[in-house]
Amino acid sequence: SAVISQKPSRDICQRGTSLTIQCQVDSQVTMMFWYRQQPGQSLTLIATANQGSEATYESGFVIDKFPISRPNLTFSTLTVSNMSPEDSSIYLCSVELASGSRDEQFFGPGTRLTVL
Amino acid sequence: KQEVTQIPAALSVPEGENLVLNCSFTDSAIYNLQWFRQDPGKGLTSLLLIQSSQREQTSGRLNASLDKSSGRSTLYIAASQPGDSATYLCAVSGDSWGKLQFGAGTQVVVTP
Repeated sequence: SAVISQKPSRDICQRGTSLTIQCQVDSQVTMMFWYRQQPGQSLTLIATANQGSEATYESGFVIDKFPISRPNLTFSTLTVSNMSPEDSSIYLCSVELASGSRDEQFFGPGTRLTVL
Repeated sequence: KQEVTQIPAALSVPEGENLVLNCSFTDSAIYNLQWFRQDPGKGLTSLLLIQSSQREQTSGRLNASLDKSSGRSTLYIAASQPGDSATYLCAVSGDSWGKLQFGAGTQVVVTP
C-alpha cells in the first residue's frame, strides 16, 4: 500500500482567491490523480498528473482553473483558482500502485475546502 | 460512456446481520473493480480489488464478487458491526491507466 498525506486538511477561503493543495506519497509513483467530491456526491476525476509531462484534464475541467504541478515522483500540487462557492468540495489525490498484474489505487485523506 | 450505479443508496441494519451491497456498470469492458470505504469527511480506504479475470476476492469478513458479463459486483460483509458504518463506494477502471469511474455509494448504518 501507499501512505499519502495532503495539506491542508481543510480551509475556508474567500471568493476570488486561490488555494494550492499539496499531495505527498511515501514511495515513487508514476501516476497521480486528483478527484473532486462535491457535497453529497461521489468522486469525479479532475486530472491525471504524470511526472515530466503536462497533466491530462477530464471533460469539464481546465488548466486555467485547476493548474497542477508534478515536480517529482512523490509530490504533486493542485491549485483551485479564482474560487467561487461552487468550488466547495473535498479534493482528494490518489496514486496507483502496481503489484504483478494488480493495479490498485490508494487515496489521501482529502482536503475539505469551503468557499465563502 | 461508463456509468456505475449502486443500490441501495442507504441501508440500516442491526448489528450481526449480513450486509449485501450492489454495484452495476454499463460497459463490461473493465480492467478492474475496486471497493472503497469512506468515513464522514474522510478519504477513501481500499477494501478489495477484483481484476477483470477474477470472480471474487475475500478479506476477513468481506467478500466481493464480480460478474463482468452482466455488469455486476456485490460486496458482502458478514456479521456486521457498528464500526462498519460508513459509505461504501465501488469504482471501475476501463484500462491500466488508472482512471476510476465511481458509483454514488451506499451509506450503511449498523445499529448496536
